[in-house]
Amino acid sequence: DIQMTQSPSSLSASVGDRVTITCRASQSISSYLNWYQQKPGRAPKLLMYAASSFQSGVPSRFSGSGSGTDFTLTISSLQPEDFATYFCQQTYSTPRTFGQGTKLEIK
Amino acid sequence: EVRLVQSGGGLVQPGGSLRLSCAASGFTFSRFSMTWVRQAPGKGLEWVANIKKDGSEKHYVDSVKGRFTISRDNAKNSLYLEMNSLRGEDTAVYYCAKEDLWEVTGGAFDIWGQGTMVTVSS
Repeated sequence: DIQMTQSPSSLSASVGDRVTITCRASQSISSYLNWYQQKPGRAPKLLMYAASSFQSGVPSRFSGSGSGTDFTLTISSLQPEDFATYFCQQTYSTPRTFGQGTKLEIK
Repeated sequence: EVRLVQSGGGLVQPGGSLRLSCAASGFTFSRFSMTWVRQAPGKGLEWVANIKKDGSEKHYVDSVKGRFTISRDNAKNSLYLEMNSLRGEDTAVYYCAKEDLWEVTGGAFDIWGQGTMVTVSS
């Protein structure tokens, strides 16, 4: 199974800050890397797919990059609605493993 | 509107069984693979199982193999998860999700159900 490791596990930041979350795969997954946002009590929401492609409706302050084993999700200027937990996921192989999550909190 | 509406779930004793359902609307259900994901209280997301669009292939995470069965009825636009021999570690919110086309997004999970809680406890 492919292991997905996110860092950091939690992050405190302020509105307007630029933040970056990293995700590392235990083996190459090409660009089969997705990012999800989850708010408390809600289902996850797809933000980005194929490492760097936006899901419809996602603001342009979100961006993704990487290929192979190392990936990043960047939020260029944090907005109040961005405080949530973010998960990476690989769809290169089964099982479709997720990272452990990064909780983004207000400083 | 594209929607997945879940039903089932609840409290069950260890060793018991439960069936989850997921009703799809707003898209051609039979064109897409479907998946189940779970989230234990306060924990991260765990992929559980998926099924190809025609039901020809099914895959499971090791921890549920032989106990859980994923199925679908394309005529009813519905996905199911039959859970047997339930254990305390199966306690979680269970989500169904639509897998987008491999050639479009690499199979990302683009639509999610609202989630349903399964509690395994005596």
